[in-house]
Amino acid sequence: EPEVTQTPSHQVTQMGQEVILRCVPISNHLYFYWYRQILGQKVEFLVSFYNNEISEKSEIFDDQFSVERPDGSNFTLKIRSTKLEDSAMYFCASRRVQETQYFGPGTRLLVL
Amino acid sequence: QQQVKQSPQSLIVQKGGISIINCAYENTAFDYFPWYQQFPGKGPALLIAIRPDVSEKKEGRFTISFNKSAKQFSLHIMDSQPGDSATYFCAASRDNQGGKLIFGQGTELSVKP
Repeated sequence: EPEVTQTPSHQVTQMGQEVILRCVPISNHLYFYWYRQILGQKVEFLVSFYNNEISEKSEIFDDQFSVERPDGSNFTLKIRSTKLEDSAMYFCASRRVQETQYFGPGTRLLVL
Repeated sequence: QQQVKQSPQSLIVQKGGISIINCAYENTAFDYFPWYQQFPGKGPALLIAIRPDVSEKKEGRFTISFNKSAKQFSLHIMDSQPGDSATYFCAASRDNQGGKLIFGQGTELSVKP
């Protein structure tokens, strides 16, 4: 069964450093998403991406964040200058057209 | 208006019992209501979903009940098993408007043998 994959599984970085989180969505999917989950809290929407552009972003997704689909398979989330409060689990998700979003296993980001 | 409120925060059920988790929403434009199951260290996985034109949907031991007028929906897990112990999230979206999911706070379910 096809699945969403994410790398790395864990990332530790120093405050102020740039990080890039990578995702490979399911191959015939058209919509791509990033969500984050701070430890013990709910999953929060960050950004959606369709047709090679951002279709919607949340208040969390400020100028420090960017997304890119550099080729036909990868979908990346970049945080330019990490803050302590960026520490969270980041999930990539994708869907074909409507309904079911399939989530990846997540990247646990720890900012020190 | 964008919030989805979920209760209870945690739930302990005996094996074989019924687990019931409730959610409420405000935005009547939501048209897709999934439930996700999450095990520790894993991503959320879709369990079952419903659209507002249906009042109930059943898949195996899992049933969603949907009350459009009350803007509430609930997940019922029949014959709960220890393997069902996980965190459950309800969510809502405007499926034809990009589909971003608004999640509830989550319910940590523990099924005791």
